Amino acid sequence: GAVVSQHPSRVICKSGTSVKIECRSLDFQATTMFWYRQFPKQSLMLMATSNEGSKATYEQGVEKDKFLINHASLTLSTLTVTSAHPEDSSFYICSAKSSGATDTQYFGPGTRLTVL
Amino acid sequence: QKEVEQDPGPLSVPEGAIVSLNCTYSNSAFQYFMWYRQYSRKGPELLMYTYSSGNKEDGRFTAQVDKSSKYISLFIRDSQPSDSATYLCAMRYNFNKFYFGSGTKLNVKP
Repeated sequence: GAVVSQHPSRVICKSGTSVKIECRSLDFQATTMFWYRQFPKQSLMLMATSNEGSKATYEQGVEKDKFLINHASLTLSTLTVTSAHPEDSSFYICSAKSSGATDTQYFGPGTRLTVL
Repeated sequence: QKEVEQDPGPLSVPEGAIVSLNCTYSNSAFQYFMWYRQYSRKGPELLMYTYSSGNKEDGRFTAQVDKSSKYISLFIRDSQPSDSATYLCAMRYNFNKFYFGSGTKLNVKP
């Protein structure tokens, strides 16, 4: 199956700093990438959908100035959590999908963010 | 009403049992149906992907879609402790709009 990587897998940072998470599709071109957040024992919460070369579409309630998404190429999207606070601590998962009408999305392994 | 309903479990079965996981949905326009498996602290892994009604089998896994009842199932035969995970159903009709169930936690006891 298609492979999606995420880096870093785990990050601990101080409150007020910014953190960048990378999501890469390794063996296919991802025209669309999705960013999710997952709290312990809860399901996935879609944060935003990004198409290569265009601005991301954010879900209701997600602050686009706080969660900056860049999808500059067909294999790379980045999520930057700006001025992180402890309440931003969570498990962030990206997924990627190619342009085929029947294609589905493939998930990365996730990034655990802890803000002290 | 949620678009996709899934019993959160937990579902606990003995090793070797047949497991049945289910989701119901309300939107008859859904055409593509997926099952993902998620281990603790990992990203979801695609298990099965089906289009429209019918059955699809892959090893010990069988995905079943009944569009008339708006009901999908994932069957796991000869369940193993390594199958213990959370199983998420997902579906879509629109190009990029996916709808996920809340996930069912499965525990297969040795």
